[in-house]
Formats: sequence, structure tokens, C-alpha cells
Amino acid sequence: DSGVTQTPKHLITATGQRVTLRCSPRSGDLSVYWYQQSLDQGLQFLIQYYNGEERAKGNILERFSAQQFPDLHSELNLSSLELGDSALYFCASTGTGGADTEAFFGQGTRLTVV
Amino acid sequence: GENVEQHPSTLSVQEGDSAVIKCTYSDSASNYFPWYKQELGKRPQLIIDIRSNVGEKKDQRIAVTLNKTAKHFSLHITETQPEDSAVYFCAASMSTGFQKLVFGTGTRLLVSP
Repeated sequence: DSGVTQTPKHLITATGQRVTLRCSPRSGDLSVYWYQQSLDQGLQFLIQYYNGEERAKGNILERFSAQQFPDLHSELNLSSLELGDSALYFCASTGTGGADTEAFFGQGTRLTVV
Repeated sequence: GENVEQHPSTLSVQEGDSAVIKCTYSDSASNYFPWYKQELGKRPQLIIDIRSNVGEKKDQRIAVTLNKTAKHFSLHITETQPEDSAVYFCAASMSTGFQKLVFGTGTRLLVSP
């Protein structure tokens, strides 16, 4: 167990819908990263938050947004869903804002858009 | 921004053989290079990492080497076992400021008994 909790584990929804994925980082970790992993693909960086503030952005679609709350949990919102958004979404946390320490990954949320 | 290339995309070896996975990075300011292992359906987990002030690091059957001049680093697994079968990702980042961890595209390693 990495200490990072993601909910839900699985999500099936229809095209055009909106979903929210939730991530609770390890106790004490201030930084949360979101990654998208499509079938047999690598880990595509979406966005990073540190202590409530957005710190780095990757190839995140405008239909996607995220935030980190005062209790440090983070939510990734995906709207106007398309079939191509089906993927495994991981969040990871580190203790500091820098990415030079071990990133602990959650178990992921598998999103299926039908 | 940083870009990480990883080769090969798939690697098949016999049990007991060695396996080598190579990565190159683009940003000379990167100074932290972790390797993650992802078993089927599971989350990525760190197996070894190296910082730019070190040329090689070893942990039992796995080792990582770094060539800063050429901007490439490699993962070496010796005496491979079937349980080593997984997807391996290299990554690179900088320790200064708020930097993202950029991953390579992954190598699927298959170790046959």
C-alpha cells in the first residue's frame, strides 16, 4: 500500500458526461501529480499541484481541470467525455514540490467511456 | 521542456539472462533519474533511482548507470526471473523549483522460464 488513495477504482460513463476523480495523497505529502495512461501507453503527465496551487501543467485538455483542496486531497474533473478519454488515471504524491524524490502512486482509476 | 526517450519498447529474454533498457533525456539541467516498474493492472513503483552526482548505483540484481555528457541512462537487470516481467519506465526531472517528473514511453520486459 503506497498510502495514496484514489476513488473510484472503476468508472463507466457515457460520452458527453462529466466525472470527478479523487486522490488523497500520503499523509504529509504536499504535492500531487496526475497522469493519464491509455491502453499499452506510457504515463502522460497532466498537471501538478503543490499545497493547493497549480505548479506545472502538461498536455492537459481544456475539457479537463483539477484542483487541490486545503486538506491536500485533489480532484480531477473530466467533462464532455469522449471515447478516447478512456484510460487509467493515476495520481502520485511527493513530500515536496520538487520532483526529485520517490513519487508514490495510487492504484489508479480506470475510466471507460461508452 | 524535458523529453525522455526509451528503448526498446519490448524486450524478451530467457530466465537467467541480463536485460538492459536505455533512456535518453533532452534537458541537461535534469538531475534526478528514477526507474519505475509496473506490473499488469497495478500502480507504478520505484525500483531504483540515481542522481546526477553519481555515475552508477546498484541494488542486488538491478543497477542504473548515468552518462551526463551523453544525456543517457540505463537500467541493467541481471539473472532475470519470471517475476521481473513487467513494464519498466524511466523518468527524469530537476530538483530545483517545481518540476514535473517526465516519463519515458515504457519497456515491456518478458522473461521466459
